[in-house]
Amino acid sequence: GQQVMQIPQYQHVQEGEDFTTYCNSSTTLSNIQWYKQRPGGHPVFLIQLVKSGEVKKQKRLTFQFGEAKKNSSLHITATQTTDVGTYFCAVEGGYQKVTFGTGTKLQVIP
Amino acid sequence: DVKVTQSSRYLVKRTGEKVFLECVQDMDHENMFWYRQDPGLGLRLIYFSYDVKMKEKGDIPEGYSVSREKKERFSLILESASTNQTSMYLCASSSGTPWRDGANVLTFGAGSRLTVL
Repeated sequence: GQQVMQIPQYQHVQEGEDFTTYCNSSTTLSNIQWYKQRPGGHPVFLIQLVKSGEVKKQKRLTFQFGEAKKNSSLHITATQTTDVGTYFCAVEGGYQKVTFGTGTKLQVIP
Repeated sequence: DVKVTQSSRYLVKRTGEKVFLECVQDMDHENMFWYRQDPGLGLRLIYFSYDVKMKEKGDIPEGYSVSREKKERFSLILESASTNQTSMYLCASSSGTPWRDGANVLTFGAGSRLTVL
């Protein structure tokens, strides 16, 4: 089935530093989604990217979809303690099937 | 807001018991999913369903079965629970209709943490 590699697995940053997580696929993707899971919570949808080279911003979060539609990144500028959690990418790998990356757990040190 | 409700937040079962995890969504979504979440492994898809009485295997279906008799309800069944099925189980739903807003965006339930002794 569809597989996506997500790196890094863990990231500790000082509050105010930037953070980036990456998702990579060996095959071309139709779209990619990003989710955030707060500690003790469930994944919550952040954004969906569809077009080649697409860049979307949500306040301090910047999402990019690669030109070849095989990779994507989520970048957080000037992290805050509220950014703590695990960030997942998710892709469609067949009719209605949604597969998640392994996630990047972000810890922000105040 | 879409609501996905999982019947049990915490369960403790014994090896060999039959376990039912129930999930109900209230937004008339066509698609429903069961994932399990384990540290370092992310969310792994067990089964999904795109219509009533339809089911498709995910990436780790072994040891599990599912039932979808009504559109709003999707049940995960462990016929004979084993200790390696101790995990957090997450149900999700999404609209399968491409032109609907948020199509294929997953909304998750709060999760059911299952411990098998």
